[in-house]
Amino acid sequence: EIVLTQSPGTLSLSPGERATLSCRASQSVSSSYLAWYQQKPGQAPRLLIYGASSRATGIPDRFSGSGSGTDFTLTISRLEPEDFAVYYCQQYGSSPPKLTFGGGTKVEIK
Amino acid sequence: QVQLQESGPGLVKPSQTLSLTCTVSGGSISSGSYYWSWIRQPAGKGLEWIGRIYTSGSTNYNPSLKSRVTISVDTSKNQFSLKLSSVTAADTAVYYCARTHPGGGSDYWGQGTLVTVSS
Repeated sequence: EIVLTQSPGTLSLSPGERATLSCRASQSVSSSYLAWYQQKPGQAPRLLIYGASSRATGIPDRFSGSGSGTDFTLTISRLEPEDFAVYYCQQYGSSPPKLTFGGGTKVEIK
Repeated sequence: QVQLQESGPGLVKPSQTLSLTCTVSGGSISSGSYYWSWIRQPAGKGLEWIGRIYTSGSTNYNPSLKSRVTISVDTSKNQFSLKLSSVTAADTAVYYCARTHPGGGSDYWGQGTLVTVSS
């Protein structure tokens, strides 16, 4: 079973700064099946990135995803006030078919 | 614009069966190559995938919940449903329904519904 470990648990940054979030898989995963979500309090998650690096519809270009194999990164180039939230990575595995989420990284205002 | 809305009891007694329905609007549940998923989130914790269904009726479940979960679809009503049997307090969570692409990304979500398991 693949386990996704996100780090850091909390990231304290100021608006305008760059945020780099890590998602590490316990074994190699297909880049095609790696996604990132943003979740704000009281709201459903919002798909940001799919296929490790493709932005979902309507997602600003300050969000970018990269990585392959076991190491994936979500980068927010310049934090806007609305970007302070919890971010989750997720992978789809086919044997058996299962979606797995990481534990999340909270990006908070410093 | 596709919209999803969960509905069902907010309180379920221990050992009973949790039943939720997700109504899809703004598009046919049968169109496109999508799966329809259930995901839950205990208060203050992370996301857990419960399972998904294709419009053909094919299902995949989280192995940790498989023995208690049934997901079904009613294309005539543009709905899909979740049943989780033998619930305990550990099943208390916000339950979300979502549209999921074959590659795993879920692009449309319901607002979520809180289900509490308590006597």
